[in-house]
Amino acid sequence: GQQLNQSPQSMFIQEGEDVSMNCTSSSIFNTWLWYKQDPGEGPVLLIALYKAGELTSNGRLTAQFGITRKDSFLNISASIPSDVGIYFCAGSSLYGGSQGNLIFGKGTKLSVKP
Amino acid sequence: GAVVSQHPSRVICKSGTSVKIECRSLDFQATTMFWYRQFPKQSLMLMATSNEGSKATYEQGVEKDKFLINHASLTLSTLTVTSAHPEDSSFYICSASIGDRRVFGSGTQLSVL
Repeated sequence: GQQLNQSPQSMFIQEGEDVSMNCTSSSIFNTWLWYKQDPGEGPVLLIALYKAGELTSNGRLTAQFGITRKDSFLNISASIPSDVGIYFCAGSSLYGGSQGNLIFGKGTKLSVKP
Repeated sequence: GAVVSQHPSRVICKSGTSVKIECRSLDFQATTMFWYRQFPKQSLMLMATSNEGSKATYEQGVEKDKFLINHASLTLSTLTVTSAHPEDSSFYICSASIGDRRVFGSGTQLSVL
């Protein structure tokens, strides 16, 4: 079945540094979503991408929908302690993330040194 | 914004008992809700898709008689883990669709002793 390879699995960074993580797939997705999950909580949507090549920002977060439809990256600029958490990419073969199964990456655990 | 409320947030039960988890869409109607399971340090795995007024659709390998799903109204879906065993201990998360977005509940940590 469809799988998403998310990397890195974890990272430690200094406060103020920029962060980059990405997801790749062997199959095409028509929607890419990026979520953040805090311990004991459900995922919270950060950015949604619906169009190949699309570059979208949400504050210090920027994500892009790869032109091949098989990859996406998320960048966090000037990281702060509250950025700590697990970031998941999710893809859907459908247009829009509201229906159908979302395939989740394995997550990137972000730890920030204060 | 749209909120999905999930209860309880944490439950501990004895082996052999059944546990019901509720998922409510607070300010919108959800004809479809999704139930996920997440093991520690793992990703979310879809268990089943809950459809209001009809039977749920289960993913391959998920026992429908063990994980009973009821979506009796447009704002409530329930997941009942029947005859729970320690291997059922996990984090269960529901989600609902609104517009072109998928909103997640805050999850339920189930611990079966």
